[in-house]
Amino acid sequence: QVQLQESGPGLVKPSGTLSLTCAVSGGSIIITNWWSWVRQPPGKGLEWIGEISDSGYTDYNPSLKSRVTMSVDKSKSQSSLMLTSVTAADTAVYYCTREFGAFTPFGYWGQGTLVTVSS
Amino acid sequence: QSALTQPPSASGSPGQSVTISCTGTSSDVGGYNYVSWYQQHPGKAPKLMIYEVIKRPSGVPDRFSGSKSGNTASLTVSGLQAEDEADYYCSSYAGSNTYVFGSGTKVTVL
Repeated sequence: QVQLQESGPGLVKPSGTLSLTCAVSGGSIIITNWWSWVRQPPGKGLEWIGEISDSGYTDYNPSLKSRVTMSVDKSKSQSSLMLTSVTAADTAVYYCTREFGAFTPFGYWGQGTLVTVSS
Repeated sequence: QSALTQPPSASGSPGQSVTISCTGTSSDVGGYNYVSWYQQHPGKAPKLMIYEVIKRPSGVPDRFSGSKSGNTASLTVSGLQAEDEADYYCSSYAGSNTYVFGSGTKVTVL
């Protein structure tokens, strides 16, 4: 069974940079190629942030594209997310996911990590 | 890229069926057979329930079924059980390698 674990600071100052890492283990990792990041503000719905392939190809949500950078370290089975110039509106639970199949990017989910933007 | 439209809430008694709609446009739901559905219990990560409109991952009860007509996809939960009470989200491929989620529906088992 594929297991994902997000990690990173739970508190980021306004105008700072949010940085998270996701590690994957177990299951048929080699079959799936894409990581995605999804966030959920407290009490609100899900928002797709973007995706990155194991080879480093990226696609981002147009609304966040100017502030998002994703990277991957295939040797460590890890993906990273950076979000710059954060504001209180970026406070959310951040999830990483692995694809279940083509065009089903949110098949396996991490437990999520809450990031609060506050001074 | 606007969120797909779902009703805020739906409910049903145990054993009954409930259907949740997910309305988009011809650029997302209507344009591709890549609609998926997720169940989220409070404080938990979402769980994939349906993918490619009608397919169920292994382990998901066959009480859960999906369909699509035009720009609207639907999730039906038959034989409602107490553990089905959760938030449900749809998602669709939206072209140009982007994805969009629905606004979410809270299902209450009466």
